[in-house]
Amino acid sequence: DTAVSQTPKYLVTQMGNDKSIKCEQNLGHDTMYWYKQDSKKFLKIMFSYNNKELIINETVPNRFSPKSPDKAHLNLHINSLELGDSAVYFCASSPTGDTQYFGPGTRLTVL
Amino acid sequence: GESVGLHLPTLSVQEGDNSIINCAYSNSASDYFIWYKQESGKGPQFIIDIRSNMDKRQGQRVTVLLNKTVKHLSLQIAATQPGDSAVYFCAERGQTDKLIFGTGTRLQVFP
Repeated sequence: DTAVSQTPKYLVTQMGNDKSIKCEQNLGHDTMYWYKQDSKKFLKIMFSYNNKELIINETVPNRFSPKSPDKAHLNLHINSLELGDSAVYFCASSPTGDTQYFGPGTRLTVL
Repeated sequence: GESVGLHLPTLSVQEGDNSIINCAYSNSASDYFIWYKQESGKGPQFIIDIRSNMDKRQGQRVTVLLNKTVKHLSLQIAATQPGDSAVYFCAERGQTDKLIFGTGTRLQVFP
């Protein structure tokens, strides 16, 4: 299927742990993003990569580190997880920077 | 069940009626606007977009209207169906090339 995919869909972990979320798009898009959606459904951009190069880096704690091994993949690594990191994380991609196509989301729960 | 999103503005319509979802945006320099639909447990799905040099754009059963004078965007859905029930987000793109999302409106369709 042609899509943006994320793994895992659900992630439950303890405070202080380190975890990664993976994203892949087979749409041939140059730009990929990570968004965080909080409990009030507010959707906020975290990072943007264009052809493996970091373009947007919002005021996100440096415990969050994106990594783009190639332009089809953008992974998100989170160190020393905190309760406030609990949210749904969405990956998205875009061919032009206009329309963005979102993945299904990863629901992260930190206990 | 999901308790999040209960504080979202909610629009309730009867099946077959037309729906109008409104959005106020903040940046008069924004040049691109987009509407997304998010169903429960899924990622945002592109509906329709419009550039700032247009006032109106039509898709299949959907119309987006842009009023730059008052910085207002609306999404009209004709003959609303139960499958239209979801949270709808508007987003604007400003000078920084990132999408800024609105808070979302929950659309509930009753038979």
